[in-house]
Amino acid sequence: EVQLVESGGGLVQPGGSLRLSCAASGFTFSSYWMHWVRQAPGKGLVWVSLINSDGSTTSYADSVKGRFTISRDNAKNTLYLQMHTLRAEDTAVYYCARVISFSCFDPWGQGSLVTVSS
Amino acid sequence: QSALTQPASVSGSPGQSITISCTGTSSDVGGYNYVSWYQQHPGKAPKVMIYDVNKRPSGVSNRFSGSKSGNTASLTISGLQAEDEADYYCSSYRSGNTYVFGTGTKVTVL
Repeated sequence: EVQLVESGGGLVQPGGSLRLSCAASGFTFSSYWMHWVRQAPGKGLVWVSLINSDGSTTSYADSVKGRFTISRDNAKNTLYLQMHTLRAEDTAVYYCARVISFSCFDPWGQGSLVTVSS
Repeated sequence: QSALTQPASVSGSPGQSITISCTGTSSDVGGYNYVSWYQQHPGKAPKVMIYDVNKRPSGVSNRFSGSKSGNTASLTISGLQAEDEADYYCSSYRSGNTYVFGTGTKVTVL
C-alpha cells in the first residue's frame, strides 16, 4: 500500500525552527517528485514547496522562500521540510504529497500540525 | 501569489448535476493543461478526483468530470450523492515552477 506519514509537528514560539518529516512506503520513493502543501485552521490549501526525484531541483512559495528548505533522503525514503524564523501565519496542518503526471498529487499524508504561538 | 478563484459554495439536490468553476490567468490555468481537482472531507486529507484537466484516476467515479476553457477550469459532478458533500479545491501549475490552489468550494447536498 502506498503510504505517506508526516511527523515532527508541534508547538513552537515565533522565530523558532522545526523540521517536518514525511516517511514514504509502498512505492519507489526515489522515482517521484514530492510536494509540501499546508492548510491553516479553517482555511484553504496552499502550495508550499516541491522537490524533484533526485533533490537537484526545488521551488518555494514566496511566503516561505528564504525561511523553509525542502530536502529528501532517498536512501531513507524520507522527505523533509526544515522551517526557520516561524511566524504565527505559518500555523497550519502540513501535508506531504507524491506527484504523478505533473499535476496529480496522490496520495497525501495525514498531515502534521504546526502551531506557532508564544 | 494569488489563489485561483472558486465560488465559496455550490449546492444541489441528490441526482442533480453541479459545476464548480476555477478561474486563473494565462500564467496558470490558461497556459497549461495541468489543472487538478481535490475533494476534502472534514478532518481528512485531500483526495485527487481529476488531473491534467480531464483525467480521472483509477477508482474515482465517472460522475466526476473536468474541462477547461481559456483561463477557467470546471469540475462537474453528475448524479449528485450525499457522499459528495465536501470541500473541493482546484490546483494548477503556474509558470516559474510553482503551483497554486483555488480558494475552495463547499458543496452541499440538499
